[in-house]
Amino acid sequence: EAGVAQSPRYKIIEKRQSVAFWCNPISGHATLYWYQQILGQGPKLLIQFQNNGVVDDSQLPKDRFSAERLKGVDSTLKIQPAKLEDSAVYLCASSLQPGQGWVEQYFGPGTRLTVT
Amino acid sequence: RKEVEQDPGPFNVPEGATVAFNCTYSNSASQSFFWYRQDCRKEPKLLMSVYSSGNEDGRFTAQLNRASQYISLLIRDSKLSDSATYLCVVNLGNTGGFKTIFGAGTRLFVKA
Repeated sequence: EAGVAQSPRYKIIEKRQSVAFWCNPISGHATLYWYQQILGQGPKLLIQFQNNGVVDDSQLPKDRFSAERLKGVDSTLKIQPAKLEDSAVYLCASSLQPGQGWVEQYFGPGTRLTVT
Repeated sequence: RKEVEQDPGPFNVPEGATVAFNCTYSNSASQSFFWYRQDCRKEPKLLMSVYSSGNEDGRFTAQLNRASQYISLLIRDSKLSDSATYLCVVNLGNTGGFKTIFGAGTRLFVKA
């Protein structure tokens, strides 16, 4: 079974530039998550989709971050404009429909973003 | 107070040792609990779910104390390959679903 795919794996940009990340979840997984993991910290949930609807985006900095999941499959996360503090690994995960939450999340390899 | 707190470590233990990690959570409405493992520069992977009755998987034992809002992970007979960061994960009920909160992780180094 193919895992969660993400691209690019690495990205270096200058502050104030824009960047976009792509995620393809495991086939049949209704729920998709984007996390930000800063070095030395645990992943922080940015946004959670159920099919193509947003379940939680309370920690997404909406003045600069946006995300979409068209047709309930692939998703893109965009940062515009980037700041130095956005340097982190951006992880995408997917899971089956959560029910009461007892579901395993499967993570992609992440995109390592460096903002200079 | 952080929603999920873990001892950051690092824990440095010899092979064969028993090591225990603790995790506390602040929201009593938390519904489900997990331990994930994250190797250096890799993505997190599920180690085990944590049930109210406690559960064991080989050398790993997880416990949940809802009254104290406390989760633990015990690793017996540590192996070199157990070296990793262990992430405590809590799901909170949320409108339309649930919200996942990760702790900062506890680093473990197992040495020969």
